[in-house]
Amino acid sequence: GAVVSQHPSRVICKSGTSVKIECRSLDFQATTMFWYRQFPKKSLMLMATSNEGSKATYEQGVEKDKFLINHASLTLSTLTVTSAHPEDSSFYICSARGGQQYEQYFGPGTRLTVT
Amino acid sequence: GQQVMQIPQYQHVQEGEDFTTYCNSSTTLSNIQWYKQRPGGHPVFLIQLVKSGEVKKQKRLTFQFGEAKKNSSLHITATQTTDVGTYFCAGHNTNAGKSTFGDGTTLTVKP
Repeated sequence: GAVVSQHPSRVICKSGTSVKIECRSLDFQATTMFWYRQFPKKSLMLMATSNEGSKATYEQGVEKDKFLINHASLTLSTLTVTSAHPEDSSFYICSARGGQQYEQYFGPGTRLTVT
Repeated sequence: GQQVMQIPQYQHVQEGEDFTTYCNSSTTLSNIQWYKQRPGGHPVFLIQLVKSGEVKKQKRLTFQFGEAKKNSSLHITATQTTDVGTYFCAGHNTNAGKSTFGDGTTLTVKP
């Protein structure tokens, strides 16, 4: 099956700093990538959808200036959490979708802790 | 906006019992996908249903798509401990241009 990697798997940062998370599709071209937050024992909250070469579409309530998304190639998307605060601590998961497919392939997630 | 509701939120069963989770959408869907997330893991794609009334099987798992394409179900026959995890449905709405995930049903199996 399709493989999506995510890096780093865990990161601890201080309040006020920025953190970049990478999401890569390893064996297929991801025309669309999605970024989610998942709280403990909760569902996936879609943050934004990014299509290669165009600006990301953010969900209502998600600050685009705080969560910067770049989808520069068909295999890489990045999420930068700027000026992170403790309330940004969460599990961030990316997923990728190729071509005309609807199914999404998820990365292993990144556990962000802001101290 | 589009809403996808999933019930129950939690289900505890004895090994060998059957399990069903239901997914209901506020809008007509073009397709529905099902995912499984094991504890500590990430969601893994299981299957996609496209046609009205479609039924698909994967070993002990049976997936159904309603005639009106607004609801779906996942049924597991004779659960095993390896079935534990959270099962998510995701309904795709063409007008919205995206898939919306349900809140998931977390299954625990007592050996």
